[in-house]
Amino acid sequence: DQQVKQNSPSLSVQEGRISILNCDYTNSMFDYFLWYKKYPAEGPTFLISISSIKDKNEDGRFTVFLNKSAKHLSLHIVPSQPGDSAVYFCAASYTGNQFYFGTGTSLTVIP
Amino acid sequence: DTAVSQTPKYLVTQMGNDKSIKCEQNLGHDTMYWYKQDSKKFLKIMFSYNNKELIINETVPNRFSPKSPDKAHLNLHINSLELGDSAVYFCASSRQGAKETQYFGPGTRLLVL
Repeated sequence: DQQVKQNSPSLSVQEGRISILNCDYTNSMFDYFLWYKKYPAEGPTFLISISSIKDKNEDGRFTVFLNKSAKHLSLHIVPSQPGDSAVYFCAASYTGNQFYFGTGTSLTVIP
Repeated sequence: DTAVSQTPKYLVTQMGNDKSIKCEQNLGHDTMYWYKQDSKKFLKIMFSYNNKELIINETVPNRFSPKSPDKAHLNLHINSLELGDSAVYFCASSRQGAKETQYFGPGTRLLVL
């Protein structure tokens, strides 16, 4: 039973444009959300997080938006750079240290 | 100066064998985890240890047994390997407490033939 879903397995974007990665969840108890970035042959690395008391969190080129009523969050990368090409995982938590991950979206930024 | 390290990186073995994957973190974290990423890329938690004590044990076959000799190490031992165990196994660690960021190792790619 997958509680966190990333329905787009891949996304291609031109360098300099905006990348929008989407994530949906089913458990309304989730109150903390993160995005991880993963390069090939490496483990995921933390990118940005958001608590359910906020609807937006920004860190440089990365912004995460949370729509609780729609149980949806998105990661915006502006402007996209070739080094952003990676797999992006969305994760959610409602208790302790247990995170539920999506299946990832592979982003390719075309120079 | 790797924060979370795993050995081996690659493991190819026959069905029925017993194997271990080692994990070490030098971040001073109290909590460590094992995740499995299957062929569908679904990253799912298997175990979590806090200060050498098991706190999360998802539905995982008994053939998988984690061992934490100290809080910097969490090893994963797998008995009687099956074809379906082929996956990438990630170790992670975090500070103690709710919703702490988890730091992942590079993964161990296990292939059971």
